[in-house]
Amino acid sequence: GNSVTQMEGPVTLSEEAFLTINCTYTATGYPSLFWYVQYPGEGLQLLLKATKADDKGSNKGFEATYRKETTSFHLEKGSVQVSDSAVYFCALSVPPPDDKVIFGPGTSLSVIP
Amino acid sequence: DARVTQTPRHKVTEMGQEVTMRCQPILGHNTVFWYRQTMMQGLELLAYFRNRAPLDDSGMPKDRFSAEMPDATLATLKIQPSEPRDSAVYFCASGSGQGAVQPQHFGDGTRLSIL
Repeated sequence: GNSVTQMEGPVTLSEEAFLTINCTYTATGYPSLFWYVQYPGEGLQLLLKATKADDKGSNKGFEATYRKETTSFHLEKGSVQVSDSAVYFCALSVPPPDDKVIFGPGTSLSVIP
Repeated sequence: DARVTQTPRHKVTEMGQEVTMRCQPILGHNTVFWYRQTMMQGLELLAYFRNRAPLDDSGMPKDRFSAEMPDATLATLKIQPSEPRDSAVYFCASGSGQGAVQPQHFGDGTRLSIL
């Protein structure tokens, strides 16, 4: 079946620290992979995406590389800011005929000054 | 920027009452999703529509929940009768294209409390 596993949170980091949030998946076919971010009181927003193996998605200093051999899509940022405090969701989208979007459980990140 | 609009933002009501949540998808988007988010269960897909036709509502309790798209600019999610366990944040999202591959644009949610 299709599933997404994320590292357990919450994660607490000091400002300017390096961030890694692990995400692994199982999927049938050739999924697209996404990272979404949710700030307090808001809906999820697309952060970055990758549609095929070895693609690297990047946005706002965040990066993730679609690794088919390890079925992973880890999120990284070299230097986090207080404003990055949010919940991060890894997701996979399986094309038809399955036609499903599967979200991971989310990882809460707190960045302290 | 175009946004998905959800109303109401907050709703508090007593058990047994009917609840209707509304969503205006981004103009031109042909796919609409309804999700429920709780601390215990995380984000759950309830139902989704493409070109106003329901494609999957397997995540929705059929006895009390119903989802419709009366027209391309409005999606509704109803709960009747409501129960305390329905308390959650309900999100609507929209997207364009075929299949579930496309990124989804989320509204800010309806925070529902059933007393």
